[in-house]
Amino acid sequence: DAGVTQSPTHLIKTRGQHVTLRCSPISGHKSVSWYQQVLGQGPQFIFQYYEKEERGRGNFPDRFSARQFPNYSSELNVNALLLGDSALYLCASRLPGPYEQYFGPGTRLTVT
Amino acid sequence: ELKVEQNPLFLSMQEGKNYTIYCNYSTTSDRLYWYRQDPGKSLESLFVLLSNGAVKQEGRLMASLDTKARLSTLHITAAVHDLSATYFCAVDMGGGATNKLIFGTGTLLAVQP
Repeated sequence: DAGVTQSPTHLIKTRGQHVTLRCSPISGHKSVSWYQQVLGQGPQFIFQYYEKEERGRGNFPDRFSARQFPNYSSELNVNALLLGDSALYLCASRLPGPYEQYFGPGTRLTVT
Repeated sequence: ELKVEQNPLFLSMQEGKNYTIYCNYSTTSDRLYWYRQDPGKSLESLFVLLSNGAVKQEGRLMASLDTKARLSTLHITAAVHDLSATYFCAVDMGGGATNKLIFGTGTLLAVQP
């Protein structure tokens, strides 16, 4: 079975631009979460979506937004990029409840 | 605000030795996860601990959870070079269909031959 997939793998953007990251969960998983991992730190929770509804939001500015589609794939959008947004963005999916969360390979975003 | 602290932050150990990584967290939760991350890679799930006293083992790694002490440990037995990686614990602050993992600071493990 295919795991969590993310696209693109790498991305270079300029300050002030907008970026869209995409994630496809494991088949049958309806929950998708997004995390930001800055180099040398642990991942930080950004959003969780379940059944197309936002279920949780981390301490990130309104420049960050996300949505989940009817097929349970998800997009993370970041507007007005700052240098500090450079990070590895991880998507994870899971079944509802106390089950393990499976992470995708990540998208490495570099803002110059 | 929940804080998740790991120690040590960096661990250099020789092959064949035993050691323990500690994960302390500051609020009540009975769902704790351990992950491994290789340089430049994503997170690999190691253990899911869902109740007080839970103990799980896989190969040379064993994880335990004490929810009363708000402490989880990851014990490494007879380390080998292949275990070199960064290890994260993560506490789940959600419930039901909601989940929000709060990750620890990470422990960089380097196993020397």
